[in-house]
Amino acid sequence: GAGVSQTPSNKVTEKGKYVELRCDPISGHTALYWYRQSLGQGPEFLIYFQGTGAADDSGLPNDRFFAVRPEGSVSTLKIQRTERGDSAVYLCASSLRPSGTSGGAQETQYFGPGTRLLVL
Amino acid sequence: SQQGEEDPQALSIQEGENATMNCSYKTSINNLQWYRQNSGRGLVHLILIRSNEREKHSGRLRVTLDTSKKSSSLLITASRAADTASYFCATGGKAAGNKLTFGGGTRVLVKP
Repeated sequence: GAGVSQTPSNKVTEKGKYVELRCDPISGHTALYWYRQSLGQGPEFLIYFQGTGAADDSGLPNDRFFAVRPEGSVSTLKIQRTERGDSAVYLCASSLRPSGTSGGAQETQYFGPGTRLLVL
Repeated sequence: SQQGEEDPQALSIQEGENATMNCSYKTSINNLQWYRQNSGRGLVHLILIRSNEREKHSGRLRVTLDTSKKSSSLLITASRAADTASYFCATGGKAAGNKLTFGGGTRVLVKP
């Protein structure tokens, strides 16, 4: 079956502009996660959705970042007034069940290919 | 510092040799997952080990978990050039909410 897809693959924008990054999770997966990965580092958590609601947004760096998942499937990460420091690969993941419930295989997070964002 | 930290940061081996990398973490966990990443893009899930498991195998991969030492190891046997990638451990647990916390990764180079 289809995996997690993300669009666009690459996005180049100018400082101060607004960008939207899209994630299409695996069909039937209730949990969706956004991570950000800077060069040479591991991914860092941004936000987690269970269904339509943001269950944990503690990783969002500031109020310029916002994410939605209106119908419990596709999610959009929105960044306002982009800064050069926002340049990174933005990764989306989904799991059948939320991680941290039973610890089992249904909590495996499957990642998309990422969107590479470059802010000039 | 990050919850999961891999050691070594980089590893260079010949094809056919085994590669071992370690991961340490700080808080209690429900599970620990290992991922592979090629060229800084999507992460490929390799294996998940639950906190009540001590060892797990998948093909040429062997993962151990020692919750008393808060550490895990990933062994790749009979390595191939295609195993060249970065490997990350990630911990998930109730104490950490519903997110995975990643280490900085081990960059593995398998020379043909």
